[in-house]
Amino acid sequence: DAGVTQSPTHLIKTRGQQVTLRCSPKSGHDTVSWYQQALGQGPQFIFQYYEEEERQRGNFPDRFSGHQFPNYSSELNVNALLLGDSALYLCASSLAPGGLQETQYFGPGTRLLVL
Amino acid sequence: SQQGEEDPQALSIQEGENATMNCSYKTSINNLQWYRQNSGRGLVHLILIRSNEREKHSGRLRVTLDTSKKSSSLLITASRAADTASYFCATAPSNDYKLSFGAGTTVTVRA
Repeated sequence: DAGVTQSPTHLIKTRGQQVTLRCSPKSGHDTVSWYQQALGQGPQFIFQYYEEEERQRGNFPDRFSGHQFPNYSSELNVNALLLGDSALYLCASSLAPGGLQETQYFGPGTRLLVL
Repeated sequence: SQQGEEDPQALSIQEGENATMNCSYKTSINNLQWYRQNSGRGLVHLILIRSNEREKHSGRLRVTLDTSKKSSSLLITASRAADTASYFCATAPSNDYKLSFGAGTTVTVRA
């Protein structure tokens, strides 16, 4: 049973650049959520995608955008990178209509460093 | 601010001992979940307890929920080196649509 996969595992960018992170959900899952985890903190919800649309969004600026493809995989895009965007970005999948309050299955994350 | 707050922030125990960590939250919830994270990797779901439940067990894990005190505890019995990790509680508030994670408790199990 394939779990949640993410790529790349690590990434280094400079301020002002743009980055794209990728996620494939657990087999059989159709809902993908993205979280940002700063060092020493818990994950913070960015947004959720279901049926190729953004369904819910946390308190993140428009520089953070995403996409979901027909095969349920997803991308997270961050524009105009800031030093504060350095974090571990986690993708989680679940089965709608369970939604965001049910068990989330997390991928291994992408560690982004912005210099 | 985060809905759930874990206590203590860090815990160091000897292999074979029990580890207990607590989570306090502020508003009414639909459920509360505990997750484990090893060395900055992805989170692994451990257990979900709903607001109408008081206690759940899963292997060496025991979770309690006291909605009157807005608190939960996670007990790991007979700890092993492999239990070394950060443990997060995540609450599903009744007035919100998403999970809210605390900052976590870092557990170190010494051999």
